[in-house]
This record gives sequence, C-alpha cells and structure tokens, in this order.
Amino acid sequence: NAGVTQTPKFQVLKTGQSMTLQCAQDMNHEYMSWYRQDPGMGLRLIHYSVGAGITDQGEVPNGYNVSRSTTEDFPLRLLSAAPSQTSVYFCASSYEGRNTEAFFGQGTRLTVV
Amino acid sequence: GNSVTQMEGPVTLSEEAFLTINCTYTATGYPSLFWYVQYPGEGLQLLLKATKADDKGSNKGFEATYRKETTSFHLEKGSVQVSDSAVYFCALSEGTGKLTFGQGTILTVHP
Repeated sequence: NAGVTQTPKFQVLKTGQSMTLQCAQDMNHEYMSWYRQDPGMGLRLIHYSVGAGITDQGEVPNGYNVSRSTTEDFPLRLLSAAPSQTSVYFCASSYEGRNTEAFFGQGTRLTVV
Repeated sequence: GNSVTQMEGPVTLSEEAFLTINCTYTATGYPSLFWYVQYPGEGLQLLLKATKADDKGSNKGFEATYRKETTSFHLEKGSVQVSDSAVYFCALSEGTGKLTFGQGTILTVHP
C-alpha cells in the first residue's frame, strides 16, 4: 500500500533552473494538493485540485504551475527557481468532503542556490 | 479568510508530564478541525479530528474538544512519552481538499 508517493526526496537547483516535483497516489482520491513548509509558518497551500482536469490556486501560487491529467498524478512545476522557493514541499490527497483525512507524502526538500 | 493560530513553541517537557497545546481558529463557515503530527523526517499524519461543535477527538491518549463558543481546539495529553516528541499542527477544513494550518508546535519530551 503505497499511499502518496513523492519524488525526489532531495533536490538542489541553481537559480533560474526549472524542475518538476512528482506526486502520485493510489487511493483513488478526488482531491490533491501541494503545500510548502517553512519554519514558523506551518504549511501553506500552493495549488490544489478537486479532480482530473480541475486545478486552482492556493495561498502562495506564484512561481509554480500544476496540471492534473489523471486522478493519480499531480505534478508541481517550478518554472524558474528562486532562493525564496527553498522549502520542504508536501503533496496530499483525500476523498471529497470537509471531514475526510488528508494523506501526505514524505516530502521533497528543495534548496535553490 | 480562514486562519489557525497555535501557541508559540517549542515546548519541552519531562516524561509523564501533562501536555496542552493551544489552538484557536477563525473560519467563515462550519469547519472540521484536525490535529496532525509530523515525526522527524516524515510527512504529516492525522492524529485526531472533530467535525462539529462539542465533538471530542481522541487517539493514542491525546484529546481535543471542538469549542465553537471560544473557537478553540486545544490538544491535551495526560502523560507524555519520549516517543511523542514531534511537531504538532492544528488545521481546519471547509471542504474542497484545502487545509488551513497553524504554525506548528515542536514538542520535545525528555526521559
């Protein structure tokens, strides 16, 4: 039972480079989302999706793109990395509804130099 | 908009001490409330939840009660263990898969 799988676990980028953080879930969850975790700020929502083909912006979307072509996958693209994007990124998925538990991946620690 | 405020941390306790981590929220509707825990090097996992006013969530000796009148969801445990050392996040959801998190509280328990 894989749950939510994120790759890579660690990444170092140079300023201006682009990359894609991968996220896949095998629980047939409708909802998927991306958060970034920074010290003293908790987790902040970057983008989310309520189903295949539907995405929307969260609290801190600038510099990131997403797409959801399948139920299982929800990749996060950094278009031109900046040092301010140094963070730990978490992908989460859940069933529809406000009472449902979100399942998180193990995170990607990204450093932009 | 929605917001969640947790007590400032970190919190350091001796084993078997009583734990309280305060959490208050602001929401436009009727949210569900959650406590998530993050062990070192891992993702977040659900600790407990409450979905309506006066509900009490409980798990692994931890408890929290949904208090609508004080907009609070404080986490408590009567006797902490070293294995409880982790980061604890209070969060709310109004649906659509979006969670609003507090800042997180680092708990360290010493033998």
